[in-house]
Amino acid sequence: QQQVKQSPQSLIVQKGGISIINCAYENTAFDYFPWYQQFPGKGPALLIAIRPDVSEKKEGRFTISFNKSAKQFSLHIMDSQPGDSATYFCAASHGSNYQLIWGAGTKLIIKP
Amino acid sequence: DTAVSQTPKYLVTQMGNDKSIKCEQNLGHDTMYWYKQDSKKFLKIMFSYNNKELIINETVPNRFSPKSPDKAHLNLHINSLELGDSAVYFCASSQDPISGNTIYFGEGSWLTVV
Repeated sequence: QQQVKQSPQSLIVQKGGISIINCAYENTAFDYFPWYQQFPGKGPALLIAIRPDVSEKKEGRFTISFNKSAKQFSLHIMDSQPGDSATYFCAASHGSNYQLIWGAGTKLIIKP
Repeated sequence: DTAVSQTPKYLVTQMGNDKSIKCEQNLGHDTMYWYKQDSKKFLKIMFSYNNKELIINETVPNRFSPKSPDKAHLNLHINSLELGDSAVYFCASSQDPISGNTIYFGEGSWLTVV
């Protein structure tokens, strides 16, 4: 019940296209859903995050869509650029015992 | 100004050796973490300290021992290294251990056991 399932494992998108990465969870107590971006040789860095009181959050070309009833959330990258090529992790957490439950990661490659 | 810095960045060592990885954060955060990332990129939390006190201690071998001399430092000592310990180890920090705080990661320490 603590798992966060992320798909696809890898994704290749043409420059200018839309990249979509999906995550699903079981624990309805989760109250925070971040996405982290990791470039090769670097640590993960927070990209965008959402709370379950909203269904969508947009920051530039990055949008999180959240479906509470389906227990799913997804990351959309509009107008994908080669510089977006990275590994993306979804995660979820709740409460004061702060432990992020991580998805398995998606390796995104944007082809020029 | 590096927010979370860890040393060494690369470490190649033989089986059976003991090694340490040091971590420091200059963000004024109360909570620090050690994560392990395996070859498949899966991130696994190992330990978390809040104000020098251990709050998360996942199932890791006793050979791994964290030490927090103060809230800005969290070091990881590994005894009797094994081949399976080869991975990237990330130190991280957050303001406090409350859900919703951003976790800031260091650049990782690449450990290779031969």
